[in-house]
Amino acid sequence: EAAVTQSPRNKVAVTGGKVTLSCNQTNNHNNMYWYRQDTGHGLRLIHYSYGAGSTEKGDIPDGYKASRPSQENFSLILELATPSQTSVYFCASGRRDWGVGQLYFGEGSKLTVL
Amino acid sequence: GQQVQQSPASLVLQEGENAELQCNFSSTATRLQWFYQRPGGSLVSLLSNPSGTKHTGRLTSTTVTKERRGSLHISSSQITDSGTYLCAMGTGANTGKLTFGHGTILRVHP
Repeated sequence: EAAVTQSPRNKVAVTGGKVTLSCNQTNNHNNMYWYRQDTGHGLRLIHYSYGAGSTEKGDIPDGYKASRPSQENFSLILELATPSQTSVYFCASGRRDWGVGQLYFGEGSKLTVL
Repeated sequence: GQQVQQSPASLVLQEGENAELQCNFSSTATRLQWFYQRPGGSLVSLLSNPSGTKHTGRLTSTTVTKERRGSLHISSSQITDSGTYLCAMGTGANTGKLTFGHGTILRVHP
């Protein structure tokens, strides 16, 4: 069974603080993704990765960094958190090609920035 | 930018009724993918097809790429089908680089 695990599941941070959201997958998938979900905007892609050492900008990368130190782990980093980054963040993993394409999502991380 | 419009925004059914969810997208997509999101929870991939019709269980996905539209048909709805159905379009080969619609909230009553 494909598995994507996110931590923390809930986080309260202060404005200007640093936040790291972590994601681990046991699917041996090359591709990993970070999305955020907000009412009125749906899910939007922040960063993604094609494999260890690779990070790419998605549609809304400003204010976020990403790190992919290994095939299994993909982190989203907010160096200076702002209230506008309050959201639910989802990590996902998928294979490289659409031929066997399924995307597996984690349970989500709810971030509140005060 | 790319946009995905879903309709209806919400739908209420009696158990056993069928549902038809619509998805329209603004640019040429190479595939359309449907997801189910549990209330307050994660997303589960349902169906993905670039064009034509695909079936799995009680679900049928139809994509007409040239007309930039797709649909998801749920037959014989069950209470456990309640939740949000999201349509997402992809372009290119990257499996998860998707543009999502805002979803259709489905409630199935006994």
